[in-house]
Amino acid sequence: GAVVSQHPSWVICKSGTSVKIECRSLDFQATTMFWYRQFPKQSLMLMATSNEGSKATYEQGVEKDKFLINHASLTLSTLTVTSAHPEDSSFYICSARDIRPGANVLTFGAGSRLTVL
Amino acid sequence: AQSVTQLDSQVPVFEEAPVELRCNYSSSVSVYLFWYVQYPNQGLQLLLKYLSGSTLVKGINGFEAEFNKSQTSFHLRKPSVHISDTAEYFCAVSDKGIQGAQKLVFGQGTRLTINP
Repeated sequence: GAVVSQHPSWVICKSGTSVKIECRSLDFQATTMFWYRQFPKQSLMLMATSNEGSKATYEQGVEKDKFLINHASLTLSTLTVTSAHPEDSSFYICSARDIRPGANVLTFGAGSRLTVL
Repeated sequence: AQSVTQLDSQVPVFEEAPVELRCNYSSSVSVYLFWYVQYPNQGLQLLLKYLSGSTLVKGINGFEAEFNKSQTSFHLRKPSVHISDTAEYFCAVSDKGIQGAQKLVFGQGTRLTINP
């Protein structure tokens, strides 16, 4: 089945630094990937849609200059949290759309927990 | 735009008892419906999905859900739960895009706790 890998699974950084999270589709190509944010004991909130070869589409209220998304290839999307602050601490989850015949579902990565000190 | 409401934030159940987790959605267009499970500090795993056809959908781990268009519901059921079913469960909806499932809108989640 389709597998999506996220790296790192957890990261701790100092306030003011930038952190990059990778999302890879391991056995399929994904023209579209999605980035979600999940606060403790809450639901997933869609942050942006990552499109291969073009700019990401951000949801209302999400700062595009704060959360930089790059989808440079059909198997890799990256989320960079720039100048991170403690309020950016969260669980970030990506998903990739498998459009192969018979698939038609989103596969989620295992998530990346960011803690900003 | 779509929205999803999971009516119960927490559901405690004894082991081997049946369980139903409720989900209602609203949408002005036809939708796909999903149930996902999340174990602590992990991503989401797809339990089952409704795309079209039979309204009763069977998924993994013995779960099933029934799509009820008139009541705009997609409740999740399991006839006999196990300790290992303890997790957070999310109902989600997406519109029927040109190429299939588009971005998902999630409900608030239901924490299912199985007690021995």
